[in-house]
This record gives sequence, C-alpha cells and structure tokens, in this order.
Amino acid sequence: DAGVIQSPRHEVTEMGQEVTLRCKPISGHNSLFWYRQTMMRGLELLIYFNNNVPIDDSGMPEDRFSAKMPNASFSTLKIQPSEPRDSAVYFCASSRGSRGNEQFFGPGTRLTVL
Amino acid sequence: KQEVTQIPAALSVPEGENLVLNCSFTDSAIYNLQWFRQDPGKGLTSLLLIQSSQREQTSGRLNASLDKSSGRSTLYIAASQPGDSATYLCAVCSMDTGRRALTFGSGTRLQVQP
Repeated sequence: DAGVIQSPRHEVTEMGQEVTLRCKPISGHNSLFWYRQTMMRGLELLIYFNNNVPIDDSGMPEDRFSAKMPNASFSTLKIQPSEPRDSAVYFCASSRGSRGNEQFFGPGTRLTVL
Repeated sequence: KQEVTQIPAALSVPEGENLVLNCSFTDSAIYNLQWFRQDPGKGLTSLLLIQSSQREQTSGRLNASLDKSSGRSTLYIAASQPGDSATYLCAVCSMDTGRRALTFGSGTRLQVQP
C-alpha cells in the first residue's frame, strides 16, 4: 500500500496567487481529513469528508479556503488568494470508517507564501 | 471544546533510559486516543491507537495506557535509543457531534543522547 499521497511536497508562491494542494487517500478508506500545522497553533483540523461529502468544515479559516472531494481517491485544498499567514505544513489523512479508526497521515505539503 | 495537553514539552535522556510521556485531555467522551511520532520536517507516523474501551496497547518497546475517566494517557518507552529522538504527539478523537477528527496536543520533543 502506497499510503496517503500528497502533492506537491513543497510550494513557494507569492501573495495573491492561487494554491492547490492535492491528496490521494489510502484505497478503501472513506474518511479524509485536511489538517494544518504551524508553530503557533500546532496541528488543527481544517475539514473532514466522509464518503466524499464534507461533514465538518468548521476549521476552514476563511472563504479564501475551499476543499473538494470529487471521488473516493482524490481531494484538493485550494487557497485563493494566498496570504503570507497561510504559510504552514498542510497534512492530509485518511481512515477506514469514521469513528474510532486509526488515521494515517500523508507526508504533508510545506507551503510558503512570500 | 476538547483540549489536549502534553507534558513535558521537551525531554532529554541518556540512551538506555526508560521514559514516560504524559498526555491529558479535558473531555472524557472520546472514541480513541492515538500516539504519533513526527521527525523534523516529516509527516506523522502512527505509533499506537487505544480505543476508549481499552486500558493499554503495546508495540515493541512502546506501551501506551489510557485512563479515560481521569482524562490521561501515558506513553512508556523502554530502553530508549538515539533513533527514538523525535516529537511525540498525542491526539484524541472526541464524540462531539459531527466531529470525527483528531484534537492534537502540542507534543513532547524527545532527544535521546548516545
């Protein structure tokens, strides 16, 4: 099993540009999570999908952030327009089922907005 | 709102020593608790998952315990090795309505001196 796959691994962009992060969950997992890690706030949930449907997006910081899951094997997190304070590591995780199951994390995307 | 605290924030021990990392959480209504390891600049590796009905889990030199009623978990590492140096994160999956995501502690940064 390839594990959770994220791309790109590193992204450097300028303020105001659109950024799209991608995630492929583990095959057979039907829950997908986007987290953000910063020095100040640690790891925080942004949004959670179950069976491709967004269930909880209360962690999405602003309307500049949007996430989609068009099918069971692909999700995107988009920031438009990006700002320097969006600089962080963005992790995607997946699990089988929704409650009480182990979450497996991808390697993360390190985003730097200049 | 669930809050997770990890003590100590940092720990340095000589190789071979047994050590305990602590995690506490404010809301005992949880599905499970998960311990992760994070190496610098890397993603999260799941170490142990304890379901709310369990008291402990073991994997090799690692043993994690859970006392749900008191809101505490410990991660015991036996015979520590320099390769154990990393940040250890505790995370709980709460039963809050609609939320299946993990709430993370800020981590314990462990350094094992050779």
